[in-house]
Amino acid sequence: KQEVTQIPAALSVPEGENLVLNCSFTDSAIYNLQWFRQDPGKGLTSLLLIQSSQREQTSGRLNASLDKSSGRSTLYIAASQPGDSATYLCAVTIYNQGGKLIFGQGTELSVKP
Amino acid sequence: ETGVTQTPRHLVMGMTNKKSLKCEQHLGHNAMYWYKQSAKKPLELMFVYNFKEQTENNSVPSRFSPECPNSSHLFLHLHTLQPEDSALYLCASSQGAYFTGELFFGEGSRLTVL
Repeated sequence: KQEVTQIPAALSVPEGENLVLNCSFTDSAIYNLQWFRQDPGKGLTSLLLIQSSQREQTSGRLNASLDKSSGRSTLYIAASQPGDSATYLCAVTIYNQGGKLIFGQGTELSVKP
Repeated sequence: ETGVTQTPRHLVMGMTNKKSLKCEQHLGHNAMYWYKQSAKKPLELMFVYNFKEQTENNSVPSRFSPECPNSSHLFLHLHTLQPEDSALYLCASSQGAYFTGELFFGEGSRLTVL
């Protein structure tokens, strides 16, 4: 059974710091891995999608890496800003199971001015 | 604006009521999903539809009844709910063979069952 774990559960950093959020999954047979951002009481916004054949994706100050063999992904945020404060979720699409995404519980990030 | 619109945004209902949640996507996607997000728990997949056909029912109680009349619209009909069903219900859509496409979510419908 695929399980997705995100560490840490919560993180507080001062503005300007570079930071790394971690995601691990137990079964390497995945289609892709996606990172999302969720603001309180809101829906999820897709940040980056990494296909199983890719190693990393970049968008602005965000960089996500994928190491399928070890079951790990990291989301790197450069020069953090207070507007980055949100919950960050990772999810994997399970191979051959019809679009089933398995989510981690998320990392709640707070960037202090 | 993600191209996925959910209504209503907030809903309060008693245990004997019947209500429906609506989702519409303007992205031309072929797959649509219902997820449940409860406090302090990971998102749980409820239903998956691909080209209007249900491909996944993740052991959801029958008091939740999905309907997908076309690839752009998805409903979740609610009947005789329990207080523990109170949660944020999220609709999503995606494109691509074997569900490899990026997932786009709506803002969610916050349901409170009294």
